[in-house]
Amino acid sequence: GAVVSQHPSRVICKSGTSVKIECRSLDFQATTMFWYRQFPKKSLMLMATSNEGSKATYEQGVEKDKFLINHASLTLSTLTVTSAHPEDSSFYICSATGPGNTIYFGEGSWLTVV
Amino acid sequence: TQLLEQSPQFLSIQEGENLTVYCNSSSVFSSLQWYRQEPGEGPVLLVTVVTGGEVKKLKRLTFQFGDARKDSSLHITAAQPGDTGLYLCADLTSNTGKLIFGQGTTLQVKP
Repeated sequence: GAVVSQHPSRVICKSGTSVKIECRSLDFQATTMFWYRQFPKKSLMLMATSNEGSKATYEQGVEKDKFLINHASLTLSTLTVTSAHPEDSSFYICSATGPGNTIYFGEGSWLTVV
Repeated sequence: TQLLEQSPQFLSIQEGENLTVYCNSSSVFSSLQWYRQEPGEGPVLLVTVVTGGEVKKLKRLTFQFGDARKDSSLHITAAQPGDTGLYLCADLTSNTGKLIFGQGTTLQVKP
């Protein structure tokens, strides 16, 4: 069945470095994907809409230069957290709409910045 | 900017008890969805409601959508430890799959 896969599932990086998270739709094409951020015991907060072949649309308050989104193909969107700081530590999760307008979520990626 | 408020934010009950979670929006829902999420996993869709006044049942879960399409409730009968998790209401704001989530209700059901 349709699946959305994220990689890596867990990553630890040092402050000041950048880290990339991938979101792939495995057997369907997605012109639009979404990136969410979630703090422990909190809800999912929409960060941005990833648009294939064009710039991402960021939600109010989300720094586009901090969270770089690239949607270079119909099956892959990437989120790069640049110059990471400990406060960027969070659970990041993507979603895409597949066949039958079903929303599929990735497995999520835990980012820890030390 | 749409605001979705859920109440209560935290709920701890004993197995067998009933509970209700509420979701209120500052504006009319496009399409309301309820999700359940466990730590470290993606949310799992429970139900989608579209029509004002709609009631849907999923085993021990009953979902109601307000007539004005600005509020909803989730009622669980005879809660079980397996119901433990984070319950989220969300507005499906576009046909592309964009979701605006409520604040969430963390439910703990003790055996």
